[in-house]
Amino acid sequence: DADVTQTPRNRITKTGKRIMLECSQTKGHDRMYWYRQDPGLGLRLIYYSFDVKDINKGEISDGYSVSRQAQAKFSLSLESAIPNQTALYFCATSDPGHRTDTQYFGPGTRLTVL
Amino acid sequence: AQSVTQLGSHVSVSEGALVLLRCNYSSSVPPYLFWYVQYPNQGLQLLLKYTSAATLVKGINGFEAEFKKSETSFHLTKPSAHMSDAAEYFCAVSDQGNDYKLSFGAGTTVTVRA
Repeated sequence: DADVTQTPRNRITKTGKRIMLECSQTKGHDRMYWYRQDPGLGLRLIYYSFDVKDINKGEISDGYSVSRQAQAKFSLSLESAIPNQTALYFCATSDPGHRTDTQYFGPGTRLTVL
Repeated sequence: AQSVTQLGSHVSVSEGALVLLRCNYSSSVPPYLFWYVQYPNQGLQLLLKYTSAATLVKGINGFEAEFKKSETSFHLTKPSAHMSDAAEYFCAVSDQGNDYKLSFGAGTTVTVRA
């Protein structure tokens, strides 16, 4: 089984709908991240969490919220989806015991907002 | 603040030819540098990383990268391209002054011609 899983893998929704993307990990890592990938822009950080009680905004947090339900689970919500949130979303984890903080990525969720 | 610039959004090489992907970074403190690869419909996986040890870093699948402080570069090479190297490659930088968060380049897509 994969170490970092994301559900759903694909989602089509309409403008104004609330949507939640879920991430689970079995690596036992404390740190978790949400990114979005857009063509030509690379990956940009939305939110990150160093533990269940520590959640931080990334560079593009507007329009998004997160919930860290447990060490292994980190969810990303779009309260009212808009078309420019159409993107590929990745969850990642890392181990704070390693200073270089290699990140391990899930397979991604492709979100389309009509 | 750290940042990464990848020169060339698309690179096309013949099978067996040298692969060279360019990455320049900006960081106010000694950086940690990474190359990640994204195969079609998959998440990112680590190719290699520089962590202030040896300046020539060897990674998986025959890739290597050389850290050159004077040129603020971390270019990725592979002597002989294989069809399976077709993917998107991302350079990323992190530093201890920024919670070790990763900043990604825009990515370079590699196609391999038979």
